[in-house]
Amino acid sequence: NAGVTQTPKFQVLKTGQSMTLQCAQDMNHNSMYWYRQDPGMGLRLIYYSASEGTTDKGEVPNGYNVSRLNKREFSLRLESAAPSQTSVYFCASSEEAGTGGFYNYGYTFGSGTRLTVV
Amino acid sequence: GESVGLHLPTLSVQEGDNSIINCAYSNSASDYFIWYKQESGKGPQFIIDIRSNMDKRQGQRVTVLLNKTVKHLSLQIAATQPGDSAVYFCAVFLRSNYQLIWGAGTKLIIKP
Repeated sequence: NAGVTQTPKFQVLKTGQSMTLQCAQDMNHNSMYWYRQDPGMGLRLIYYSASEGTTDKGEVPNGYNVSRLNKREFSLRLESAAPSQTSVYFCASSEEAGTGGFYNYGYTFGSGTRLTVV
Repeated sequence: GESVGLHLPTLSVQEGDNSIINCAYSNSASDYFIWYKQESGKGPQFIIDIRSNMDKRQGQRVTVLLNKTVKHLSLQIAATQPGDSAVYFCAVFLRSNYQLIWGAGTKLIIKP
């Protein structure tokens, strides 16, 4: 089925470790996003990529880096994990080249990565 | 900036009744509003959206109402079914910073 695929689904890290969350979409969407979701809160945008070759900071970028490897793939890297980064991470993509997914049609989410930093 | 709040963290309704989930936003310049449904262990799923030049939009069993005067929108689900159990989020787009701001979510519980 077409959609957004995230790996891994679960991960436990020790404080200071690094890791990369992978995201791939097969819908030929221009824009891709990384969000984090904390208990009792809505999604907060970490970084986004309006189109291949571009990336921009969202609301909560500190402690993260991203790479738009090609049109399909957008990865999120934690260089030195901290307990405050314990969260569920969602990748999303949208048709529109607009930033933040202004027009929702084609705005599709992956199933999430549950990350725990101890 | 923009902040988005939902009035109730949890809403319990009887199966077959109508559900109304509310959301308030702060910035009158917000011009695009979206409702998402998130089932346990899954990513958010688009339900319905509305632009600021409209005050009502209907989908299949769902209606979104927008009241720009009081900066309030609601999601109405008709004849609520067990499959409607989920957390519902409203999200508000603010053109000035091109960001989608999310509310904290309302968990909809269906009583048999």
